[in-house]
Amino acid sequence: GDSVTQMEGPVTLSEEAFLTINCTYTATGYPSLFWYVQYPGEGLQLLLKATKADDKGSNKGFEATYRKETTSFHLEKGSVQVSDSAVYFCALPPQITQGGSEKLVFGKGTKLTVNP
Amino acid sequence: EADIYQTPRYLVIGTGKKITLECSQTMGHDKMYWYQQDPGMELHLIHYSYGVNSTEKGDLSSESTVSRIRTEHFPLTLESARPSHTSQYLCASTQGGPNGYTFGSGTRLTVV
Repeated sequence: GDSVTQMEGPVTLSEEAFLTINCTYTATGYPSLFWYVQYPGEGLQLLLKATKADDKGSNKGFEATYRKETTSFHLEKGSVQVSDSAVYFCALPPQITQGGSEKLVFGKGTKLTVNP
Repeated sequence: EADIYQTPRYLVIGTGKKITLECSQTMGHDKMYWYQQDPGMELHLIHYSYGVNSTEKGDLSSESTVSRIRTEHFPLTLESARPSHTSQYLCASTQGGPNGYTFGSGTRLTVV
């Protein structure tokens, strides 16, 4: 079945450092891909998405490019801030399975801490 | 402004008590989900619903139950809370297809 493999954390960086969080996926076809962010004490928020191969999603200085050839959707930011400290989840959208369910497939999450 | 609401945000309750975690959305989404989030942050699907009067168990076995009597409302109930139920519970909804989920802010439950 469809799956997402996400870089394990935790990741600790200094402010203004470059960030990469790796995400690779296994899926039938070419689904949309998402990155969600969860700030401390909150639920998940959609950070960015890409709907087809070679698309680049971007938001709040974060970017991720949908690479069909490497089945990857790595999250990057050129200069992180303390306020970026959060947990980041890579995800595939609801897939219609043989059983009829539509469940978003999440990676295990990567916790990022940015120190001043 | 959040379109999906969870109450309470925090709850501390004694062992053996019955509790209901509330989740409501104003977007008219058919599909709703409950996740349990462990301390390592991984998300585990415990219940989902395709629409009114439809509920299914998720990937992680849970002693909780859910109901879906109205489109906008998807409460989760624990008949007898135990310390092992201590966790963060997240509710989400979607209209399906290539769209993502919208999440509530979560309920952090502590059973003492």
